Amino acid sequence: DAGVIQSPRHEVTEMGQEVTLRCKPISGHNSLFWYRQTMMRGLELLIYFNNNVPIDDSGMPEDRFSAKMPNASFSTLKIQPSEPRDSAVYFCASSFEDEQYFGPGTRLTVT
Amino acid sequence: RKEVEQDPGPFNVPEGATVAFNCTYSNSASQSFFWYRQDCRKEPKLLMSVYSSGNEDGRFTAQLNRASQYISLLIRDSKLSDSATYLCVVNKNPPASKLTFGTGTRLQVTL
Repeated sequence: DAGVIQSPRHEVTEMGQEVTLRCKPISGHNSLFWYRQTMMRGLELLIYFNNNVPIDDSGMPEDRFSAKMPNASFSTLKIQPSEPRDSAVYFCASSFEDEQYFGPGTRLTVT
Repeated sequence: RKEVEQDPGPFNVPEGATVAFNCTYSNSASQSFFWYRQDCRKEPKLLMSVYSSGNEDGRFTAQLNRASQYISLLIRDSKLSDSATYLCVVNKNPPASKLTFGTGTRLQVTL
């Protein structure tokens, strides 16, 4: 079975550009999570959805970040405009009950 | 005080050794617990859930002590392939809820 799929795997962009990260959760999972990981701050939850509805977005850093889940099989995380401090690995994870399964991540570099 | 605390390590052990990690959590209402493993530049992967009665999976044993609010992971007969960062994870409100991750304990198994 395919796990969580994320694209792109790597993204290098210039400051001020819009960045869109994509995630396809495991089929049948009803919850989806977006995380960010850096050396300094570790793994941080940005936002999570349950049955496509955003439940908790308290981890979203600021208005430059937005996330959508238009259907059960797709979610996006958008950063506009991007800044160098957004450089990190962004993980998407999905779950049906309690156990979360992570995608391979998108390594974002903003120059 | 952090919600989940772990000794960052690194723990350097020879192949074949037994090694144990502890993790403490601050919220006594926490209800479910996990150990994840993360290899360098990879996504976290679920290693095992931690049950109140303790559980074992091959060379790995997890224990939960609710009274003292700590979780442990024991690895017997360490292999080189066990080298990774081990993340202690707590869920305050399962099933679909935000997980709180520790910053991880790094294990290096050597010849």
